[in-house]
Amino acid sequence: AQTVTQSQPEMSVQEAETVTLSCTYDTSESNYYLFWYKQPPSRQMILVIRQEAYKQQNATENRFSVNFQKAAKSFSLKISDSQLGDTAMYFCAFGHSNYQLIWGAGTKLIIKP
Amino acid sequence: GAGVSQSPSNKVTEKGKDVELRCDPISGHTALYWYRQSLGQGLEFLIYFQGNSAPDKSGLPSDRFSAERTGGSVSTLTIQRTQQEDSAVYLCASSLRLGGLNTEAFFGQGTRLTVV
Repeated sequence: AQTVTQSQPEMSVQEAETVTLSCTYDTSESNYYLFWYKQPPSRQMILVIRQEAYKQQNATENRFSVNFQKAAKSFSLKISDSQLGDTAMYFCAFGHSNYQLIWGAGTKLIIKP
Repeated sequence: GAGVSQSPSNKVTEKGKDVELRCDPISGHTALYWYRQSLGQGLEFLIYFQGNSAPDKSGLPSDRFSAERTGGSVSTLTIQRTQQEDSAVYLCASSLRLGGLNTEAFFGQGTRLTVV
């Protein structure tokens, strides 16, 4: 069975710092998708970034980038120059055509002014 | 519509009453998911629908919970004889298809259910 683990229940950093959220997963599949979603206090879940497993290049979206280590089954999210608006719950998710999305438990990120 | 729409956004009900929560997914999305989220917690999977296939109901916590999806579009989650532990935010999401290519899930704003 596929599993997703986020080992950091909560993190807190100062504004403008860089923060890395960890995510590990377990699967026997070779091709799949990985996602990071953000849920701010407004509770609207939005996609931050996605990575296709067959692509070696790490995905980036402006201040957000991932460190995808396929062999280690690790998919961490780096947020550079953190902003107050980055305060939110962050969820890592695994996607494959044979299964529904599998979600991690989430990491609560607090950006302090 | 432009996004996933859920109604009502908030619902307060008395213990023992039945409630219906509605989700209107993005047009053309074949996969639809229902999740439950307690305050500050993660997503608890309830049920998903994929096209015309039988829904996966494995996450429904009890037989008081049921869901249907009419015509492959709008879905209704029904909770019968509500209990206080049912209080949570119920999130609906849809995607082009289940889990694979183009599986970005689009979420609604959720329904906050409070059972008093």
